[in-house]
Amino acid sequence: GAVVSQHPSWVICKSGTSVKIECRSLDFQATTMFWYRQFPKQSLMLMATSNEGSKATYEQGVEKDKFLINHASLTLSTLTVTSAHPEDSSFYICSARRLAGNQETQYFGPGTRLLVL
Amino acid sequence: QKEVEQNSGPLSVPEGAIASLNCTYSDRGSQSFFWYRQYSGKSPELIMFIYSNGDKEDGRFTAQLNKASQYVSLLIRDSQPSDSATYLCAVNGNNDMRFGAGTRLTVKP
Repeated sequence: GAVVSQHPSWVICKSGTSVKIECRSLDFQATTMFWYRQFPKQSLMLMATSNEGSKATYEQGVEKDKFLINHASLTLSTLTVTSAHPEDSSFYICSARRLAGNQETQYFGPGTRLLVL
Repeated sequence: QKEVEQNSGPLSVPEGAIASLNCTYSDRGSQSFFWYRQYSGKSPELIMFIYSNGDKEDGRFTAQLNKASQYVSLLIRDSQPSDSATYLCAVNGNNDMRFGAGTRLTVKP
């Protein structure tokens, strides 16, 4: 299967600081990547769709100025949580869309656990 | 109506039994269907995909698709305690993949 990496795997930061999370597709090119957030014992929540070379599309209720997304290349998308607060503590997971012919599959990264003190 | 619906469970089966996980979807134009497994504290992992009506088998897993009924299922034969996880159904249509909320499966030794 395809490989998607995330870095860092976990991060602890102080309230008010910014945190950058990287998502890379290692063995395929991904014009589209997705960022999800998951709180304990809850479902995956799609935050935004990251498109290479264009602006991200944010889901309703997700602040684009707080969660900055940059899809700089076909293998890298970054999510920056700006001015993080304790309520931003969560499990952030990216996925990358892989196209094979006319079939599309999403592969997930291992996730980044964020704890804001 | 949610676009992709799953029974949240928990579904509990004894070791060695068949676990049956079900999913319905609302978009009749959906073309591809996926099952992901998510262990507690981990990210989802793709285990099966199916595009055509009927059954698709991979080891102990069988995915079943019925587009007329807008229904997709996952059967796990000879369930093992290591199969205990949340199973997410995902449906792709119009370049947009939608996930169900997941069914939590517990396989008891």
